[in-house]
Amino acid sequence: SYELTQPPSVSVSPGQTATITCSGDKLGNKYVCWYQQKPGQSPVLVIYQDNKRPSGIPERFSGSNSGNTATLTISGTQAMDEADYYCQAWDTTSYVVFGGGTNLTVL
Amino acid sequence: QVQLVESGGGLVKPGGSLRLSCEASGFTLSDYYMSWIRQVPGKGLEWVSYISSSGNTIYYAESVKGRITISRDSAKKSLYLQMNSLRAEDTAVYYCARYNYDSGRRMDVWGQGTLVTVSS
Repeated sequence: SYELTQPPSVSVSPGQTATITCSGDKLGNKYVCWYQQKPGQSPVLVIYQDNKRPSGIPERFSGSNSGNTATLTISGTQAMDEADYYCQAWDTTSYVVFGGGTNLTVL
Repeated sequence: QVQLVESGGGLVKPGGSLRLSCEASGFTLSDYYMSWIRQVPGKGLEWVSYISSSGNTIYYAESVKGRITISRDSAKKSLYLQMNSLRAEDTAVYYCARYNYDSGRRMDVWGQGTLVTVSS
């Protein structure tokens, strides 16, 4: 089965750039999306098709995907960005695959 | 306003059954693939199943295959998840999500979730 690996936690200072990675075999050949989930809330799509932002998602959220690694970048991180972030891809054998999630702390 | 509202969760004994529902509003359900995703409290997201817009294509995660059935009723604007032979490890919050199946497949609308607890 296909697997996506994320770091369990990432810390960033307010105003700095946060980088969250997602690794998988030949992940660059697949489209990746990213979800943000705050405590007690449902996930929200923040990036799809590697680097596209849904309407309403701030420009500080961006994404890239190449080789075996996809990256979610949050520029000028704000306290409100503190959340869990999940990457997700589609695989022909495992269908929908989520990464294990990364807890982003803004301190 | 595009919205998904799940219902049907609750406490069930191991080996029991439960049927979850997800009512859609603000968009035409029959135009979209739909999916169920679950999350053990405090843990990560796990995809469970998805169904095509026509209902002709259905996939399940290996962990639930044979015990869970996804279905949809466009007239009722609803998605369903029939869960049988439930186990303790099925305890989770179950989310329904609109699965936008174009070139960048993604879950672009999520419900609030419904909690399923499997315990004696």
